[in-house]
Amino acid sequence: SQTIHQWPATLVQPVGSPLSLECTVEGTSNPNLYWYRQAAGRGLQLLFYSVGIGQISSEVPQNLSASRPQDRQFILSSKKLLLSDSGFYLCAWRKVTEAFFGQGTRLTVV
Amino acid sequence: DQQVKQNSPSLSVQEGRISILNCDYTNSMFDYFLWYKKYPAEGPTFLISISSIKDKNEDGRFTVFLNKSAKHLSLHIVPSQPGDSAVYFCAARRNEKLTFGTGTRLTIIP
Repeated sequence: SQTIHQWPATLVQPVGSPLSLECTVEGTSNPNLYWYRQAAGRGLQLLFYSVGIGQISSEVPQNLSASRPQDRQFILSSKKLLLSDSGFYLCAWRKVTEAFFGQGTRLTVV
Repeated sequence: DQQVKQNSPSLSVQEGRISILNCDYTNSMFDYFLWYKKYPAEGPTFLISISSIKDKNEDGRFTVFLNKSAKHLSLHIVPSQPGDSAVYFCAARRNEKLTFGTGTRLTIIP
């Protein structure tokens, strides 16, 4: 069966520090991969998606970036965090129709 | 531009009664619609989906209805149970992208 791992579960980072969140999927190959963010009181905002290694589509212009160095690995990064980057970050994978989510990372920028 | 909208941020329903969650969309190119359930500090879990060529899909206590002419879908939960208390997101798919609504917090009153 397929599983998705996302870490860390919680993170507190100072403004201006870098960020790296990692997501890996097991049990499938060539999945579509996604990064979403849920800000306080808001819905799930699509940040990036990838249909293959090295292929990244950005949905929202901001100081975040994503990379897919391997088929089942998706990384969300920032060189300098802003206060507004706080939120709940979710990685997801999809093969056919429905997407399956990781447990999320609660990021607090202080 | 919010292409998928859930206009009710919250809903309270008596245990045993029917819960009806609504979702509207604007993009007629969406070809699949999905409902997810989310508990705090966890990733969303997939509930049920419906293709744009159908108007109803049922799975146990959950039924999703699609009205393409009105660009409206709804999720019916019957009978409602205390464990159904969560935030519910509708989502719509076009190509590789899944666009989510802002969510409705459902509270089941014992």
